[in-house]
Amino acid sequence: KAGVTQTPRYLIKTRGQQVTLSCSPISGHRSVSWYQQTPGQGLQFLFEYFSETQRNKGNFPGRFSGRQFSNSRSEMNVSTLELGDSALYLCASSGMTGAVIGYTFGSGTRLTVV
Amino acid sequence: SQQGEEDPQALSIQEGENATMNCSYKTSINNLQWYRQNSGRGLVHLILIRSNEREKHSGRLRVTLDTSKKSSSLLITASRAADTASYFCATDANYGGSQGNLIFGKGTKLSVKP
Repeated sequence: KAGVTQTPRYLIKTRGQQVTLSCSPISGHRSVSWYQQTPGQGLQFLFEYFSETQRNKGNFPGRFSGRQFSNSRSEMNVSTLELGDSALYLCASSGMTGAVIGYTFGSGTRLTVV
Repeated sequence: SQQGEEDPQALSIQEGENATMNCSYKTSINNLQWYRQNSGRGLVHLILIRSNEREKHSGRLRVTLDTSKKSSSLLITASRAADTASYFCATDANYGGSQGNLIFGKGTKLSVKP
């Protein structure tokens, strides 16, 4: 079955702009999580959605937001981009609501802010 | 915030040798997972060990968990050049029953030379 699909793969934006990233989870998976990876801070949790509801949120400013649609596809939005937002953004999907059996990650979106 | 701390940060070995990576964490956990990441791409789930398990095997992988010491180790036996990647441990802490929030360590960069 198809894996987790993230689009676009690469993105270059200018400071002050906004950006929307998309993630399509594995068919049947209802949980989607987002992570930011930078060389300095490593992998950090952004937020998690399940059945269109945000269940959990990491310690990021309000410029970072997300949503999930009824087909479980998720988008994350970053407004008023800063240079420090340059990162690899990863999403992960999971089919379990109880005990976690591990997450399937997409290949990521590489965002560069100039 | 980082919960897991991998040790060593980098490891270089010859093909056929075993590679051992260690991970320490700070809070109580539901489970601990290991992921592999090839050069800036997505994470691949390797193995999950639950808090009530002490050891788990999967192919050439062996994971141990010591909850009294809050530590885990990943052993890759008979390593291959294709094992060259960064390896991360991640804990899934039960914060009020919320899920989807994996806390990652900074990773061990493994280089396997042919």
